[in-house]
Amino acid sequence: AQKITQTQPGMFVQEKEAVTLDCTYDTSDQSYGLFWYKQPSSGEMIFLIYQGSYDEQNATEGRYSLNFQKARKSANLVISASQLGDSAMYFCAMRGGNGGNQFYFGTGTSLTVIP
Amino acid sequence: EAGVTQSPTHLIKTRGQQATLRCSPISGHTSVYWYQQALGLGLQFLLWYDEGEERNRGNFPPRFSGRQFPNYSSELNVNALELEDSALYLCASILLTSGSYEQYFGPGTRLTVT
Repeated sequence: AQKITQTQPGMFVQEKEAVTLDCTYDTSDQSYGLFWYKQPSSGEMIFLIYQGSYDEQNATEGRYSLNFQKARKSANLVISASQLGDSAMYFCAMRGGNGGNQFYFGTGTSLTVIP
Repeated sequence: EAGVTQSPTHLIKTRGQQATLRCSPISGHTSVYWYQQALGLGLQFLLWYDEGEERNRGNFPPRFSGRQFPNYSSELNVNALELEDSALYLCASILLTSGSYEQYFGPGTRLTVT
């Protein structure tokens, strides 16, 4: 069965510091993809970063990087130089199953950036 | 390029009524996914439509149903509303053949059942 686990319901980080949000996944698929989304209090889901299961290098997008450890089935999000605007819910998601067109979401981590 | 749109933004219904939520995908996207996000919870997969057909549904009762129209827009219907149906309903579109698997989300419809 496909599953995404986020074990940190809430996290705090000082402004300008780096923070790591944890995500582990379970799948029997050989080909899958991992995503991170940001959801501010307004509710919209904002795509942050994507990592394919066959990608050998960790994905990076500006201040976001994905620490992909395939053997451990983990896909942690690292946010560098945190900003006040980073305060939001963060969801880890996986594409897999059903021909690779099914998406599974974790329960989310609430990040608060402290000035 | 216009993003995914959803209507209405807010919907207030009473228990037992029916609700209809609408979603217009990004132009050219043929797949639409529906998710339910109850307060404080993650996204629960509801339905997936592609090329006008229902491809998969999540673990929800049959009173949650929908359809996809020839222009790829989609409608989610919730019959016999219950209090626990109160949630943010998110729609996402994707072009599965594009090689990119990023889902583009709409702003959501907040359904309140009283």
